Amino acid sequence: KNEVEQSPQNLTAQEGEFITINCSYSVGISALHWLQQHPGGGIVSLFMLSSGKKKHGRLIATINIQEKHSSLHITASHPRDSAVYICAVRERGGNKLTFGGGTRVLVKP
Amino acid sequence: NAGVTQTPKFRILKIGQSMTLQCTQDMNHNYMYWYRQDPGMGLKLIYYSVGAGITDKGEVPNGYNVSRSTTEDFPLRLELAAPSQTSVYFCASRQDSNQPQHFGDGTRLSIL
Repeated sequence: KNEVEQSPQNLTAQEGEFITINCSYSVGISALHWLQQHPGGGIVSLFMLSSGKKKHGRLIATINIQEKHSSLHITASHPRDSAVYICAVRERGGNKLTFGGGTRVLVKP
Repeated sequence: NAGVTQTPKFRILKIGQSMTLQCTQDMNHNYMYWYRQDPGMGLKLIYYSVGAGITDKGEVPNGYNVSRSTTEDFPLRLELAAPSQTSVYFCASRQDSNQPQHFGDGTRLSIL
């Protein structure tokens, strides 16, 4: 069973700061997902990665398959980025996702 | 496209009552999932389906049942509601292994 660990659990930043959230997992995977959940809201898929790096607006996700590690970066953070960010992995040949516990991000104006 | 639609959005049940949480998707996705999210905790998989007529247990299936008679619908049934089932329930779907999951808005369920 894959263990998915996220750090930090909570993060507070000032508007404009660069934010990094980390995710590590224990077993080889076919894909890693980064999800965003706003307070009281639904869950949105931000990225799906199997190698390298992806960028969407101010968000950048990277993955190192050898080290079993991924990072989500938020550049020029804004209060609307305040949310819980969730890392999830799918093992090779699997149909299910294993989720990390989430990182609660608060960006203050 | 409506995406993944869950009903109801909120529900309060008494212990021992039963209910069905509805989930429907209009994207012709093969894979569908039910998760629960307890306060401050991560998502846990209850049941999933890889296509119509096929369902399988996830991490926390006890106290729940599902069916998948059509591609669009994946209802989750609670037969004898217990306080431990108080949670937010999310339904999700995806087309294939190269696609991300699409989530519904969730059903907030309280059992008193």
